[in-house]
Amino acid sequence: AQKVTQAQTEISVVEKEDVTLDCVYETRDTTYYLFWYKQPPSGELVFLIRRNSFDEQNEISGRYSWNFQKSTSSFNFTITASQVVDSAVYFCALWDSGNTPLVFGKGTRLSVIA
Amino acid sequence: NAGVTQTPKFRVLKTGQSMTLLCAQDMNHEYMYWYRQDPGMGLRLIHYSVGEGTTAKGEVPDGYNVSRLKKQNFLLGLESAAPSQTSVYFCASSYSPGLAGEQETQYFGPGTRLLVL
Repeated sequence: AQKVTQAQTEISVVEKEDVTLDCVYETRDTTYYLFWYKQPPSGELVFLIRRNSFDEQNEISGRYSWNFQKSTSSFNFTITASQVVDSAVYFCALWDSGNTPLVFGKGTRLSVIA
Repeated sequence: NAGVTQTPKFRVLKTGQSMTLLCAQDMNHEYMYWYRQDPGMGLRLIHYSVGEGTTAKGEVPDGYNVSRLKKQNFLLGLESAAPSQTSVYFCASSYSPGLAGEQETQYFGPGTRLLVL
């Protein structure tokens, strides 16, 4: 069965620190997609990134980077030089070809303190 | 292009009352979803639809009904509201035929906060 685990429930960092949010997934499928979503205090869910199982290249977008490692079934998200605006709940999600809906982790609440 | 919209934004119900939450999308998406979000529970799928006229149960379907009479709309109904249904409800949609590789990405509405007293 598909499963997404975000072991870190809450993280607090001081502004400008780097922080990594962990995501571990389980699937028996060889074709799957992994996602990260951001939910800021305003409440909406914002799509950040999608990565497919055949592309293990790491992705960098500004201060955000994602490390996909199939060997450890992980898709970790790093924020470099964190800012107060990064404070949010971050969700990791999995889709595989045997299952239409996404499977979400329970989320990690990140608080960045000025 | 409004994306995914939800009506209403906030509602207070008394136990036993009924209501319908409306979700609309203008992205020509085939799939639509209803989730609820509760503290510490993450997002839990209530029902979903893979096309006009179809619906399927998710993880927590009890106490809810849905209908997808038009492709762009997905309605979530509570026939007899209970305090346990106090939650934030999110609608999402995905899959535009012809956009390769995009079908799995879900786009969310702003949410509806429901309080059942």
